[in-house]
Amino acid sequence: DQQVKQNSPSLSVQEGRISILNCDYTNSMFDYFLWYKKYPAEGPTFLISISSIKDKNEDGRFTVFLNKSAKHLSLHIVPSQPGDSAVYFCAASGGYQLTFGKGTKLSVIP
Amino acid sequence: EAGVTQFPSHSVIEKGQTVTLRCDPISGHDNLYWYRRVMGKEIKFLLHFVKESKQDESGMPNNRFLAERTGGTYSTLKVQPAELEDSGVYFCASSQATRRQTQYFGPGTRLLVL
Repeated sequence: DQQVKQNSPSLSVQEGRISILNCDYTNSMFDYFLWYKKYPAEGPTFLISISSIKDKNEDGRFTVFLNKSAKHLSLHIVPSQPGDSAVYFCAASGGYQLTFGKGTKLSVIP
Repeated sequence: EAGVTQFPSHSVIEKGQTVTLRCDPISGHDNLYWYRRVMGKEIKFLLHFVKESKQDESGMPNNRFLAERTGGTYSTLKVQPAELEDSGVYFCASSQATRRQTQYFGPGTRLLVL
């Protein structure tokens, strides 16, 4: 039973445009959400996070939106750059352990 | 500040052998976690240490896996005896006591059991 779902395995975006990655969760006990970026043969790199008491958090080109009623969060990358090409994981926590989605592979086309 | 380091980066062993993975967390991080990603699946939680104490080992698959964190610094994860289904990438992560939910990951150890 997957508690964190990333329904798009892949996404292609033109350089300079907006990338929107989506994530849905089912567990109402989750109160903290994170996005990680992963290059091949490397570990996940922390990007941005959001607490359930907020609905938006911004850090440079990256913004995460949380819709608690819909149990949905999204990561916006504006503008997208070729170096953003990687697999993006959504993760959720209700305590200490993180529960991950399966990831979305983002390809930014120059 | 050095990140989370893991050793070895790769390990190829035969079924029935023993393998020990090591993780050095970010200095000063009390929380240390082990995760595993099996081919094609999501990254899954194995266990969590607070300093030298096991806080949660609910994700450990069976008693062939043994994790330790002596002295509250580095941690080891031993698989004995290894089975084919143990193949995957083992990640270690650490977090501060005050920002426990923001976890920083190491590069992982790629384990292949033949």
